[in-house]
Amino acid sequence: KAGVTQTPRYLIKTRGQQVTLSCSPISGHRSVSWYQQTPGQGLQFLFEYFSETQRNKGNFPGRFSGRQFSNSRSEMNVSTLELGDSALYLCASSLEGFNSPLHFGNGTRLTVT
Amino acid sequence: GQNIDQPTEMTATEGAIVQINCTYQTSGFNGLFWYQQHAGEAPTFLSYNVLDGLEEKGRFSSFLSRSKGYSYLLLKELQMKDSASYLCAVTLSGATNKLIFGTGTLLAVQP
Repeated sequence: KAGVTQTPRYLIKTRGQQVTLSCSPISGHRSVSWYQQTPGQGLQFLFEYFSETQRNKGNFPGRFSGRQFSNSRSEMNVSTLELGDSALYLCASSLEGFNSPLHFGNGTRLTVT
Repeated sequence: GQNIDQPTEMTATEGAIVQINCTYQTSGFNGLFWYQQHAGEAPTFLSYNVLDGLEEKGRFSSFLSRSKGYSYLLLKELQMKDSASYLCAVTLSGATNKLIFGTGTLLAVQP
């Protein structure tokens, strides 16, 4: 079974630009979550989608948004990029249920200059 | 607010046993996950505890005490490949799949 696939692996953008990251979950997984990982803050929850609906949202500004398609694939968008948005963005998919572990992709490394 | 504490770094010797502690202060605690993350790679699932007690999986065991807000991950017969970051994460009631992570413990296994 193929794992979680994230594209692209690396991105370099300039302040003020916007960026879209893509995530394909494991087949059969309907929940997709997004996390931001930085050396100082660790992994921080951005949002979670299930059946095309945002079910949970973290404490990030409105510049961070996402969506999920009918095939469970998900995208996240960051507008008006700031230097502090430089991070590893991880997508994770899971089956429904509290004890279902998250399966993470290898992430997209975003650098904002 | 939610607070999860882990030691930043630990060092252990190949073949030994190491215990990585995690304490948490959260409202509406549901369960606790442990993940392993090698440098430059995705986190991978190790264990999940929802009830008090010890869960054993081969060389890895995880313990939870809900009343004390405390968990630990026990790694036995350490191998060089166990050098990685170990992440403790809690889930809250009513927030499916929203994990709140600690900053992780970087474990270095020495020969």
